[in-house]
Amino acid sequence: GAGVSQTPSNKVTEKGKYVELRCDPISGHTALYWYRQSLGQGPEFLIYFQGTGAADDSGLPNDRFFAVRPEGSVSTLKIQRTERGDSAVYLCASSLTGLAGGQETQYFGPGTRLLVL
Amino acid sequence: QKEVEQNSGPLSVPEGAIASLNCTYSDRGSQSFFWYRQYSGKSPELIMSIYSNGDKEDGRFTAQLNKASQYVSLLIRDSQPSDSATYLCAVNVGNYGQNFVFGPGTRLSVLP
Repeated sequence: GAGVSQTPSNKVTEKGKYVELRCDPISGHTALYWYRQSLGQGPEFLIYFQGTGAADDSGLPNDRFFAVRPEGSVSTLKIQRTERGDSAVYLCASSLTGLAGGQETQYFGPGTRLLVL
Repeated sequence: QKEVEQNSGPLSVPEGAIASLNCTYSDRGSQSFFWYRQYSGKSPELIMSIYSNGDKEDGRFTAQLNKASQYVSLLIRDSQPSDSATYLCAVNVGNYGQNFVFGPGTRLSVLP
């Protein structure tokens, strides 16, 4: 596609529910990243995929958060037993290879605004 | 904990002036540095990247890097009201090469 797309754009859920957030990267991009951004803060790294595998998941806050990318393209971020503190904008980004010594541009999607009531 | 710090602002400058945005980082091993612009309610978009000490210019934007001082800055010349946004400094700290740590951002307001 022309850019990174994310669905839904907004999600309201109740505390304790399960949510899935979807990211569709730029066509041909091998690397995919998930970030979380709270109001007034910069994006916080969650997980980075190189192809189908999670190359770095050190940013996932706890085991309620899980992400998959089964075919190396679309990725789904899954949050179990949501808590009010999970409310944030979840941003997805992609880059061409994820290598190049960290000098690749990451292109961001529009984000999913998650509100946990 | 690898940290990136920025003044949160708001930084207000008159139209046509130079805006100077600063960023410091804690990880001495970092090699790649990025400035993103984020308009309210929108996603970040890349303005500049810099990897070597010194200055890098692109149009009205100049990025400056000093690895010894662990300091990176962004200068915006001839500031325009359309430059009003939050500017995020990002530092690549990942062993795998793509783990970005973002600063909190500096909110810039260019007054007409």
